[in-house]
Amino acid sequence: EDQVTQSPEALRLQEGESSSLNCSYTVSGLRGLFWYRQDPGKGPEFLFTLYSAGEEKEKERLKATLTKKESFLHITAPKPEDSATYLCAVQMNTGFQKLVFGTGTRLLVSP
Amino acid sequence: SAVISQKPSRDICQRGTSLTIQCQVDSQVTMMFWYRQQPGQSLTLIATANQGSEATYESGFVIDKFPISRPNLTFSTLTVSNMSPEDSSIYLCSVRSGTSGAEQYFGPGTRLTVT
Repeated sequence: EDQVTQSPEALRLQEGESSSLNCSYTVSGLRGLFWYRQDPGKGPEFLFTLYSAGEEKEKERLKATLTKKESFLHITAPKPEDSATYLCAVQMNTGFQKLVFGTGTRLLVSP
Repeated sequence: SAVISQKPSRDICQRGTSLTIQCQVDSQVTMMFWYRQQPGQSLTLIATANQGSEATYESGFVIDKFPISRPNLTFSTLTVSNMSPEDSSIYLCSVRSGTSGAEQYFGPGTRLTVT
């Protein structure tokens, strides 16, 4: 069964305290891996798509990396406005290339 | 990128009734997706809607319960039929865009509460 697991479930950081979120997956066919940010009461906001092991993408304080079995979202010197739930999703390489989501990591950054 | 709007943003409905959710995109897209996000959980794909063809439903979701229309390349509707409290969720419309469809965007969601 295709499975996407995110850890930790929740993470509390002090402002400026860097850390990483993990997304591991076991799927039958991977086309790409997506990262999203979701604020309470809103739809997910697209952050990155990664397609190849070794690929990295950056946006402000966020950097996403991909290996053959997992992806990391590194948050450097976070600010309180980075507080949100971060979702990863695996894009399947069959059919309509649907996204299979993990359960997310709730990040809280305290000032 | 794509800008997606949904109507209504929220609704409270009685058991046994139906609600139709509208999704409007600011550009033409081939595929539109409908997701459900139950309280405290992640997103689950309900169906994929291609313009001009029948929607394709995921396991556990059926057309009689979640009929979908896709009349053109910028619009789709999802109906939640014969609702029960278990249908209380956020329903999200999504489209694929960008170079080679490498980006997938979501609407703001419709928060449905069934009493």
